[in-house]
Amino acid sequence: QKEVEQNSGPLSVPEGAIASLNCTYSDRVSQSFFWYRQYSGKSPELIMSIYSNGDKEDGRFTAQLNKASQYVSLLIRDSQPSDSATYLCAVDNQGGKLIFGQGTELSVKP
Amino acid sequence: DADVTQTPRNRITKTGKRIMLECSQTKGHDRMYWYRQDPGLGLRLIYYSFDVKDINKGEISDGYSVSRQAQAKFSLSLESAIPNQTALYFCATSDPDRGYGYTFGSGTRLTVV
Repeated sequence: QKEVEQNSGPLSVPEGAIASLNCTYSDRVSQSFFWYRQYSGKSPELIMSIYSNGDKEDGRFTAQLNKASQYVSLLIRDSQPSDSATYLCAVDNQGGKLIFGQGTELSVKP
Repeated sequence: DADVTQTPRNRITKTGKRIMLECSQTKGHDRMYWYRQDPGLGLRLIYYSFDVKDINKGEISDGYSVSRQAQAKFSLSLESAIPNQTALYFCATSDPDRGYGYTFGSGTRLTVV
């Protein structure tokens, strides 16, 4: 089992819809969780972090964490074509270094 | 200027050559990392350093070495490049004020022929 798993996609949603990106992790001691956005040919950019169970909202983005289920998700409301990118889930298992999922490719269609 | 700068941006080298990728940061962070990214394999950790005197191997350190010359500088070397080291390489720092989330450099696209 991979330590951090994401569906590779592509996930296609129409403009204005909610995009839901999911991630599971295997190490129960993990404490910090991050979502990165990576445009093609560019470096990953940190968009959300979450540390406690529940929801955390920042503009159109909501991160959700359920430690009991070892599950973290990212919701993007009112999706725009400019949101089309690969979204990387990353987990810090207290070793001070991040383990990344393979990423989910999101395509927002006008 | 970018917070994390990588040089070169692109490099083509021949099998067996030694090559160094350089990374510098202006953020004053202690922690620095080198990752490589391959299609279908995601980002994999090569080496990391929590301060100037601390160097640690990541999951794929074979064939690589690093040097932490100063808090701001962390270099990655390929002692004898081989074609399967062709990849996109990223340097990153982690910010204690952002829960140790990373800031990445722009990347170095390395091709070994």
